[in-house]
Amino acid sequence: DAKTTQPTSMDCAEGRAANLPCNHSTISGNEYVYWYRQIHSQGPQYIIHGLKNNETNEMASLIITEDRKSSTLILPHATLRDTAVYYCIVRVPNTGNQFYFGTGTSLTVIP
Amino acid sequence: EAQVTQNPRYLITVTGKKLTVTCSQNMNHEYMSWYRQDPGLGLRQIYYSMNVEVTDKGDVPEGYKVSRKEKRNFPLILESPSPNQTSLYFCASSLSWTGGAQYFGPGTRLLVL
Repeated sequence: DAKTTQPTSMDCAEGRAANLPCNHSTISGNEYVYWYRQIHSQGPQYIIHGLKNNETNEMASLIITEDRKSSTLILPHATLRDTAVYYCIVRVPNTGNQFYFGTGTSLTVIP
Repeated sequence: EAQVTQNPRYLITVTGKKLTVTCSQNMNHEYMSWYRQDPGLGLRQIYYSMNVEVTDKGDVPEGYKVSRKEKRNFPLILESPSPNQTSLYFCASSLSWTGGAQYFGPGTRLLVL
C-alpha cells in the first residue's frame, strides 16, 4: 500500500506559485513529513520538513492540514530551475527508520 | 565541503560477478541509507543504518548486503548481481537516526548484463 500519494505531474507558469499536494493518511502522530526534489537523475535535494505546524524556509513553504493526513508544498515564485520531480516522504510506521519515497510529482515550470 | 560520495559513478558488469559500491560521508552523520531508483517505481529504500554496526532492511533488500564498520562508510554489496539489479543507486546520510534532512550522493548507475 502506498504511504503517500501525489499527482503524477503538474504544470506551473513561471513566476506563479506552485502548489504541490500530498496525501499521507496513514501518518502516525510523531512522524514528520519531508519534501525533496530531484532534477534529472541527480541525487534528491532536501527542501523542507514539518510535523504539525506550517513551516517556511528560503526555498518553500509547507502547509500541513490539522488532521495531518495531507500537506502542500508551496514554491512561491516558480522559476524554470524549479522543474523537477518532487517527493513527499514519511517515515514508514512501525519500521524504525525506513522511509517511503513513492514516485513523486513531476513539476514542469512553463515560461 | 560537506558531502556524500559514491564510487563508482558508472558500472557495467556481468551476472554473478560480485561488486561493491562504496559510500562515504564527511559530516559525522549517524544515519546512512541506500536507495535504488527505477523508471515508474520511484525511489525505494534497500537498507539503512542507524549507527555503526546497526543495519536494517528497507523495502527491497533482496540480493543486497551492507555493512557499517565505520561511521563514515556504508558500502553496498551485490554478491551475485542479476540483470534485475540494473538501476540507479543513491546513498544518503542524515545527522541523526531520529530524523532530519537526508543528504544524497550523486548516484551510481549500474548495468548488469
